[in-house]
Parts: sequence; C-alpha cells; structure tokens
Amino acid sequence: AQKITQTQPGMFVQEKEAVTLDCTYDTSDQSYGLFWYKQPSSGEMIFLIYQGSYDEQNATEGRYSLNFQKARKSANLVISASQLGDSAMYFCAMSKTEAAGNKLTFGGGTRVLVKP
Amino acid sequence: DAGVTQSPTHLIKTRGQQVTLRCSPKSGHDTVSWYQQALGQGPQFIFQYYEEEERQRGNFPDRFSGHQFPNYSSELNVNALLLGDSALYLCASSLAGVHGELFFGEGSRLTVL
Repeated sequence: AQKITQTQPGMFVQEKEAVTLDCTYDTSDQSYGLFWYKQPSSGEMIFLIYQGSYDEQNATEGRYSLNFQKARKSANLVISASQLGDSAMYFCAMSKTEAAGNKLTFGGGTRVLVKP
Repeated sequence: DAGVTQSPTHLIKTRGQQVTLRCSPKSGHDTVSWYQQALGQGPQFIFQYYEEEERQRGNFPDRFSGHQFPNYSSELNVNALLLGDSALYLCASSLAGVHGELFFGEGSRLTVL
C-alpha cells in the first residue's frame, strides 16, 4: 500500500520569502508519480507540479519546484517568492504508476498562510 | 477550453435519501475518477471510470456507484445517505496512458442532515 505523510499541519510565511513544504512517502512500487496540489478555500484542487519516479531532474513549474530525494522517499515542495494568493491548503499525493489515470493517495495536507 | 465541471456545487439531503453528482471531464480526457474529501482531511479515492467501465475502486461500500457515458462524462450515485457521507466530492479527469496531470473540478459539497 502507498502512504503519504505531511508532518506540517500549518505554517506561516512572510510575503516574498521562500517556503518548503515537507512530504514523505512509502511504497514498494518501482514506478510511481508524485503530485502537489493547492486547494484554496473555494475547494478546487489546483495542480501544481509532478515528478515521475524515474525522472532524474527535479521538476520545476514557475515558482514551484519539487525537491525529489528518492533514497529518502521525500518529495518536498518549494514555493519561491511567496505571494498573498499562495495562502491555501497544499496536498502531496502519489500514484501507483506514472500514468495519470491511476488513483491518487493523498497526504493530510499543510495549511500555508502568507503574511504581508 | 473548459476544464473539469461539476454539478451541483452545493446540495443538502437528509439521511436515507439518494444523491447523484455529475462531472464533465476536461476536453480531450477520457478517464474520470471520483474522490471524497471530509472536512480537514485529504481526498480519498472512490473509483475510476474508463471506457464506460469501473476500472479501480477504493474502500467504499456498494452504496457508492457510478457511471460513465459515451461522451466521457460521469455520475456518482450515493444511496441510503448517512451523516458521514457529508463531504466535498471531487471529480478528476485525465487521459489514459498520459502521465503527469490529473485535473480536478471545483467539487460538489454535500451536506447530509
């Protein structure tokens, strides 16, 4: 079975600073995918970034980067230059294979509040 | 290009009733998955539909059923509602065989009284 652990229930970050959200995972699968989603109070899950288990380079998407450490089974999200609009819940998730159609297992989430 | 759309956005039911939630996937996507998100928790996988068949199922009772139509849209049905079924129900769409992205809708918030 797959498991995702997010140990930070909530955190504050100053506007324009960088923040790292922790995510560790457990799986016996050789091929898997790791996702990060943002969920504002409206409820929609907004896709941020994806890392395949065989990708050698860390994924980046604009201000988001994924620090993938396979041996440690961690997939931390780094948000650079935080903005007030980044205040939201953030979920780490994984899929069993690299195909998007497989089911996602989510962590419990981290609530981020950006202070002006 | 429309993303994933869900309806209704909010609804209130009473215990024992039945509910149907609807989802239209992102244009070009053929796979639809449903998730239940209780307050303060991460989403839990209910099931996934591809080619009009249920392909994978999470740990949910048979009261939860679904359907996928030829146009790839999908319905989630919940019978004999319980108070514990109160949650945000999220639909996600993807393209089979393509990795990297699952697009979610804004969800349907169900309250069971």
